[in-house]
Amino acid sequence: SQQGEEDPQALSIQEGENATMNCSYKTSINNLQWYRQNSGRGLVHLILIRSNEREKHSGRLRVTLDTSKKSSSLLITASRAADTASYFCATYYAYSGAGSYQLTFGKGTKLSVIP
Amino acid sequence: GAVVSQHPSRVICKSGTSVKIECRSLDFQATTMFWYRQFPKQSLMLMATSNEGSKATYEQGVEKDKFLINHASLTLSTLTVTSAHPEDSSFYICSARGPLAGADNEQFFGPGTRLTVL
Repeated sequence: SQQGEEDPQALSIQEGENATMNCSYKTSINNLQWYRQNSGRGLVHLILIRSNEREKHSGRLRVTLDTSKKSSSLLITASRAADTASYFCATYYAYSGAGSYQLTFGKGTKLSVIP
Repeated sequence: GAVVSQHPSRVICKSGTSVKIECRSLDFQATTMFWYRQFPKQSLMLMATSNEGSKATYEQGVEKDKFLINHASLTLSTLTVTSAHPEDSSFYICSARGPLAGADNEQFFGPGTRLTVL
């Protein structure tokens, strides 16, 4: 079953503005990952944050993780038109027995950056 | 990062035919491969997990007789959609994980295959 839920479902901003997307999940996790997907294309891995980490940066991306609230946020600073895509969080967690891990995706946020 | 390829990238077929999609790990040995399905404007849903040399484990609601998965080698997994129908039209994405995935259990994703059943 789906583990993650993103909000908002859709976000439209002007180029140069910051975009924040949130993700909530249900079970304990090993790590949480964010992916980008351009329309009709494959996934691009953006960033991974482990369960014992609280914040991580990569270029214009900043990810936070709050395991007590079972939530994460992805911040894209100084957005560009090329950032227009769908963004998914995915949680890595043990789903049955030892060694059985599964990567489960949230519903995604569709980001539109207007030039 | 590691590279995973899929073939074909796009396929259109008539209802009732079977379609085979290949997933290859190009520069690492994939002990575990995953198949996901994505309907338009929706998220990826895991269909099945396969370990090399053993039968695939299917998620609840996924028909194993309809979606045949073979993981015969450490670099190749195939998904065969048997007797495809229009409702099987979707974007199919494979993912692979190697034996040295580490604590992060990294998975690498293929570019996806767009299946359209007429």
